[in-house]
Amino acid sequence: NAGVTQTPKFRVLKTGQSMTLLCAQDMNHEYMYWYRQDPGMGLRLIHYSVGEGTTAKGEVPDGYNVSRLKKQNFLLGLESAAPSQTSVYFCASSRRSTEAFFGQGTRLTVV
Amino acid sequence: DQQVKQNSPSLSVQEGRISILNCDYTNSMFDYFLWYKKYPAEGPTFLISISSIKDKNEDGRFTVFLNKSAKHLSLHIVPSQPGDSAVYFCAARFYSGGSNYKLTFGKGTLLTVNP
Repeated sequence: NAGVTQTPKFRVLKTGQSMTLLCAQDMNHEYMYWYRQDPGMGLRLIHYSVGEGTTAKGEVPDGYNVSRLKKQNFLLGLESAAPSQTSVYFCASSRRSTEAFFGQGTRLTVV
Repeated sequence: DQQVKQNSPSLSVQEGRISILNCDYTNSMFDYFLWYKKYPAEGPTFLISISSIKDKNEDGRFTVFLNKSAKHLSLHIVPSQPGDSAVYFCAARFYSGGSNYKLTFGKGTLLTVNP
């Protein structure tokens, strides 16, 4: 009964490095999302997908890319990490953007 | 432009009393509202929701009220328990056409229930 699984849970990057965050869901949900949570800012939508092979920009997409090659996976990429991307990243999935289920989060620090 | 606002960063309540968490929104096109609870080092978990065609939804100790004319919703927790201590996020859904639904979250309110 995994639900939404995020990999990795923690990561420290140097400025300019790249990385990919993986999100996997086993609920056959159509919708998947990537959010970031920063102190005093709540949850802000980075990118989302309404189905396999589709992606769309959210509120704060700059500096990130995403891919949804398989329905169960949603990848978030940082091509050149910046300190401003230090945050906690949450992936979520839902049937039709109602009760979204969230992963445990990935704490990313860019130094 | 913040479309979903939770103006109280924190709230402290005694065990057994009522907790009332408030949320205001600006976009009249939101059609569905949700509350999430988040414990430290965990992802948010869904708590309760309400459609814009209703004004109240109840689930055990949790009740959500929606006042569309005031663009205001509130979450009532009665009675409050220490285990309810968490950050509560209000979220609103916007349908932008096709298959595009988006959730917009407020900044959250930290609820502390004191024994």
